[in-house]
Amino acid sequence: QKEVEQNSGPLSVPEGAIASLNCTYSDRGSQSFFWYRQYSGKSPELIMSIYSNGDKEDGRFTAQLNKASQYVSLLIRDSQPSDSATYLCAGGGADGLTFGKGTHLIIQP
Amino acid sequence: SAVISQKPSRDICQRGTSLTIQCQVDSQVTMMFWYRQQPGQSLTLIATANQGSEATYESGFVIDKFPISRPNLTFSTLTVSNLSPEDSSIYLCSVGGTVQSGANVLTFGAGSRLTVL
Repeated sequence: QKEVEQNSGPLSVPEGAIASLNCTYSDRGSQSFFWYRQYSGKSPELIMSIYSNGDKEDGRFTAQLNKASQYVSLLIRDSQPSDSATYLCAGGGADGLTFGKGTHLIIQP
Repeated sequence: SAVISQKPSRDICQRGTSLTIQCQVDSQVTMMFWYRQQPGQSLTLIATANQGSEATYESGFVIDKFPISRPNLTFSTLTVSNLSPEDSSIYLCSVGGTVQSGANVLTFGAGSRLTVL
């Protein structure tokens, strides 16, 4: 069974610091990985995608992928209170995506 | 990306009744999916809505409980039948766009929050 594991948190980070979110996956056949942000009472919103080993940066967000270790992470630099949300990690391929349960991130002003 | 309109946004239903959720997309899409998100849980795929043929259901979900229609490439409905309190959840419509490696990048509707009394 394909699984994506995340620490549910809450992860509390001071405003302006770097928030680090981690995810591991069980299916070595997974080729693509995504980070979704979900505010309370809202639907998930795609914020990052990564397909190759290494880092991918987009503004304050950096996604990191290590396929050998089956590990995906998301770094949020200069954290803002508006970053407070649940972050869902998802991985998969042409046969569909498997979502983790999400990490609840709290940015403390 | 596609704009998805989903309704109702929330509803409270009595045990034993049914609720039909509608999903309208502003452009034609090949891949449309229905997910469930139970309280404190992640997203679970219910089924893939196929245009012109029966939906493809994931393990643990059956057509009698979750009938799906997909009459065209912009519209789908999900019905949750014979409701019980365990069906209280958020139901999400999503559409997929294929990127490299063939993975589906999903865009979600706003969701329908169902409470069953």
